[in-house]
Amino acid sequence: EAQVTQNPRYLITVTGKKLTVTCSQNMNHEYMSWYRQDPGLGLRQIYYSMNVEVTDKGDVPEGYKVSRKEKRNFPLILESPSPNQTSLYFCASSLPGQNQPQHFGDGTRLSIL
Amino acid sequence: KNEVEQSPQNLTAQEGEFITINCSYSVGISALHWLQQHPGGGIVSLFMLSSGKKKHGRLIATINIQEKHSSLHITASHPRDSAVYICAVGAKGSQGNLIFGKGTKLSVKP
Repeated sequence: EAQVTQNPRYLITVTGKKLTVTCSQNMNHEYMSWYRQDPGLGLRQIYYSMNVEVTDKGDVPEGYKVSRKEKRNFPLILESPSPNQTSLYFCASSLPGQNQPQHFGDGTRLSIL
Repeated sequence: KNEVEQSPQNLTAQEGEFITINCSYSVGISALHWLQQHPGGGIVSLFMLSSGKKKHGRLIATINIQEKHSSLHITASHPRDSAVYICAVGAKGSQGNLIFGKGTKLSVKP
């Protein structure tokens, strides 16, 4: 089954404790992206990757890192999480190009205390 | 001003009603996407449009490139259509990022 898998689905942690949210897709997609969703603000892009070893900042990259060492994986790293990073996070993947539908993971709800 | 505006923000309908959700954007685009987010949180891509009209079951999406406007219609609405509907555009010249509207929360009452 074609899917984008995020882990963990839920995490409560404390300020400053490094965490990684994993994202894996099995569709051989070149494009992958991370979004955060906040009430009243909608979805905002954090980082995206056009292919292996090619990443770029989205609209809200501060406080986040990503890497794309393999085509299927695109982890999101919070080196020193802060409470303002409490949010619902989505990973998505697609074939290259703006006219391709994006496939979304089920979301990761992060709470930073 | 947001680059992608949706209206209405909230919509309550009775089962069976015809529903329209609107999306206006201010940038040149190469594609427009309609997404559906159910109460559980998952997001599903409904349509991707660059011109004209697309239909899938009871859902119809239209786009007018000159007027920078798109509509999502739901015919014979059903309580299971209750969800947040999100419009997103891929701006021309941008490599891969989408600009999202804030969503329209639809509730269909039986």
